[in-house]
Amino acid sequence: AQSVTQLGSHVSVSEGALVLLRCNYSSSVPPYLFWYVQYPNQGLQLLLKYTSAATLVKGINGFEAEFKKSETSFHLTKPSAHMSDAAEYFCAVNPGISNFGNEKLTFGTGTRLTIIP
Amino acid sequence: DGGITQSPKYLFRKEGQNVTLSCEQNLNHDAMYWYRQDPGQGLRLIYYSQIVNDFQKGDIAEGYSVSREKKESFPLTVTSAQKNPTAFYLCASSPNPGQGIYGYTFGSGTRLTVV
Repeated sequence: AQSVTQLGSHVSVSEGALVLLRCNYSSSVPPYLFWYVQYPNQGLQLLLKYTSAATLVKGINGFEAEFKKSETSFHLTKPSAHMSDAAEYFCAVNPGISNFGNEKLTFGTGTRLTIIP
Repeated sequence: DGGITQSPKYLFRKEGQNVTLSCEQNLNHDAMYWYRQDPGQGLRLIYYSQIVNDFQKGDIAEGYSVSREKKESFPLTVTSAQKNPTAFYLCASSPNPGQGIYGYTFGSGTRLTVV
């Protein structure tokens, strides 16, 4: 069974500062990993995903994440925070090897990012 | 443009009433999912369907029912047996449930409030 842990339910950073949102995963097989963003009263939007190609993945809105197998981590970063980045962010995992028909994404509990002007 | 449409965006229900939330997709995706979102609890899976005319219970199916008569549609009924239905409900879909590489596409959600 797979799982994800997001460290910190709330993170605050100043505008222009580095954004770092942490995600650690547990999976018995090499996983696929995802980051989603959710703005208030909206659905989730895919930011980026790791699918066993490059370990450094670039996504939309200037975000990127690095897959580190040795640390079982997939942390999300952005060099310079913008006010529009304020949202909730979810990490998710899916096993990379098909167990045909039985895979479902497992989501973390989310991290709410606040940007301080 | 292809996507998932959830309606209505806001829904109010009186105690003891059943209500149905609509979810329609034009992405030609095989699998569809319903999640419930409460503050601080992340996403909890209610039901999912990997093919037409078949669906399975998720982690919190009690008090809910679904149908999958068409590939494009996966409506969720919140019954009077659901004791605390006030929440944000999200519908999602994926192209092939056996290929985890794709992830999910989400609708914009329905906020249900019991009055």
